[in-house]
Amino acid sequence: DVKVTQSSRYLVKRTGEKVFLECVQDMDHENMFWYRQDPGLGLRLIYFSYDVKMKEKGDIPEGYSVSREKKERFSLILESASTNQTSMYLCASRGQTIYGYTFGSGTRLTVV
Amino acid sequence: KNEVEQSPQNLTAQEGEFITINCSYSVGISALHWLQQHPGGGIVSLFMLSSGKKKHGRLIATINIQEKHSSLHITASHPRDSAVYICAVRWTTDSWGKLQFGAGTQVVVTP
Repeated sequence: DVKVTQSSRYLVKRTGEKVFLECVQDMDHENMFWYRQDPGLGLRLIYFSYDVKMKEKGDIPEGYSVSREKKERFSLILESASTNQTSMYLCASRGQTIYGYTFGSGTRLTVV
Repeated sequence: KNEVEQSPQNLTAQEGEFITINCSYSVGISALHWLQQHPGGGIVSLFMLSSGKKKHGRLIATINIQEKHSSLHITASHPRDSAVYICAVRWTTDSWGKLQFGAGTQVVVTP
């Protein structure tokens, strides 16, 4: 089975901290995505990557950056965490499976 | 702006009942996905559709491309079906495989 692993399920950080959310997939997928999920708003795309070192902004990139130095790993970076970045963060990868996409278990980030 | 709308937002059913969740979208798509999210957050892909109908166990997904509408049916519902069900589409204009999501339907199945 394809696995997408997010390093933390729950994270609490202080305002102003630099935060790294890690995502690793084991199926050599080219496309990887970071979403955030908020009540009433659904999932919204922050950034995506279509190859190593290649990235594109999604719908809500402000306050975030990403890194993809290796094909299997896609990191989301909150440069200076703020309370409005408290959310559930989900990573996904896309490949040639029957479902197309595999999602990670999510990281619930609280910024205090 | 391209949109994906789901209905209902919330649904409560008794065990054994037939459940239908609807998804409508505004313009052409290359694929539509139905996803399931249990409390705790992880999302599981249920179906990927571009036409017709698919069935997996007690779950059935249908899509009508002309009417821009899809339905997810759960037959003989069970309390373990309680979850949020999410519709997501990939627009035909998208080159990267990005998805746009509906807001989700919270389903509660009581014993």
